[in-house]
Amino acid sequence: DQQVKQNSPSLSVQEGRISILNCDYTNSMFDYFLWYKKYPAEGPTFLISISSIKDKNEDGRFTVFLNKSAKHLSLHIVPSQPGDSAVYFCAAQSRGSQGNLIFGKGTKLSVKP
Amino acid sequence: GAGVSQSPSNKVTEKGKDVELRCDPISGHTALYWYRQSLGQGLEFLIYFQGNSAPDKSGLPSDRFSAERTGGSVSTLTIQRTQQEDSAVYLCASSISGTSGQETQYFGPGTRLLVL
Repeated sequence: DQQVKQNSPSLSVQEGRISILNCDYTNSMFDYFLWYKKYPAEGPTFLISISSIKDKNEDGRFTVFLNKSAKHLSLHIVPSQPGDSAVYFCAAQSRGSQGNLIFGKGTKLSVKP
Repeated sequence: GAGVSQSPSNKVTEKGKDVELRCDPISGHTALYWYRQSLGQGLEFLIYFQGNSAPDKSGLPSDRFSAERTGGSVSTLTIQRTQQEDSAVYLCASSISGTSGQETQYFGPGTRLLVL
């Protein structure tokens, strides 16, 4: 049973508009969440993270929102750029775990010029 | 500074052969993780090393998989008697300590393994 779900396998957005990538989780022990971006033939690159004590974290064009009651987080990219086209993975870590991350299956974002 | 490096970048092998995959973590990082990504799937945790502690092997899919970490730095993931279902991208990551939680893991480029 998937503990981290990214229900949209793909998303297409026009350059300059907002991209919203969603992630749902089932394990209430998760207390740290991360977003990674992955280009073809490369390893995942860390983007942004959020601790469960916060509901928002912002870094430049990237903002992550966490809704603990809904067990939902989202990544907003504003404004979207063609270079943002990649697969985005949501990952979660359990409180007290040794650190292994639980990943979603990813959402492929395409930003069209 | 250098990131996580992995070798080889690609490996094609025949079913039944053994393979070794290498990971060189970021200098100074004491925690090292192996994941794999099968086609169309997310990353699946395999094994975790933290300093000189016994590794967490809870993610290894079978006893054909093993890993070691020599001198607290370089790690080797070995797959014995490879099967076609072992075909995947094997990713290595490292983090500063792995003990405090809420640490960012930094990934290498991966090794793409194809078992024919």
